[in-house]
Amino acid sequence: QKEVEQDPGPLSVPEGAIVSLNCTYSNSAFQYFMWYRQYSRKGPELLMYTYSSGNKEDGRFTAQVDKSSKYISLFIRDSQPSDSATYLCASLNTGNQFYFGTGTSLTVIP
Amino acid sequence: DAGVIQSPRHEVTEMGQEVTLRCKPISGHDYLFWYRQTMMRGLELLIYFNNNVPIDDSGMPEDRFSAKMPNASFSTLKIQPSEPRDSAVYFCASSLRQGHQPQHFGDGTRLSIL
Repeated sequence: QKEVEQDPGPLSVPEGAIVSLNCTYSNSAFQYFMWYRQYSRKGPELLMYTYSSGNKEDGRFTAQVDKSSKYISLFIRDSQPSDSATYLCASLNTGNQFYFGTGTSLTVIP
Repeated sequence: DAGVIQSPRHEVTEMGQEVTLRCKPISGHDYLFWYRQTMMRGLELLIYFNNNVPIDDSGMPEDRFSAKMPNASFSTLKIQPSEPRDSAVYFCASSLRQGHQPQHFGDGTRLSIL
């Protein structure tokens, strides 16, 4: 079992839709959780960063962590074609080791 | 403000050849990471350095892989001899401090071994 599991999709939504991207993780020692966005033929770029449980909002993006169920979510409101990318979740354990999900491919159709 | 710079962007070579990938981290960053990305396994950490010293190379798949960081502004990842299963996108990332600081990725080297 991988440390972080992510549905690869692909996910296709119309412009303006609310998008929900999800990951699960196996290690209860994980404390920090991140979402990266990766455009085609580019490197991942940090999108959201949260510590422990709870929500964090940044513009149209909301990251949510539920440590009781080991569930990580990213919500995108009013999705735009420019949001089309692969989204990777990542978790960090107490030993400062990063674990990435395999990524979910998202396409927002104009 | 230059980001992480990787070269070459694309590499196509025959099985058995030596491959060298290069990375220039962001100036002032003291951590450097090498990752490999494939469709099947996603992003995998191969090795990381702190202040030019290799800290954890447990992700290096085989002895055919080696990495060096001779100074704070340059690192190489070498595969010798290369095999078709090494085909992947290799990313270099750097950060100011591991863990709580975000990793900044380069645009990767797309490697194809024929």
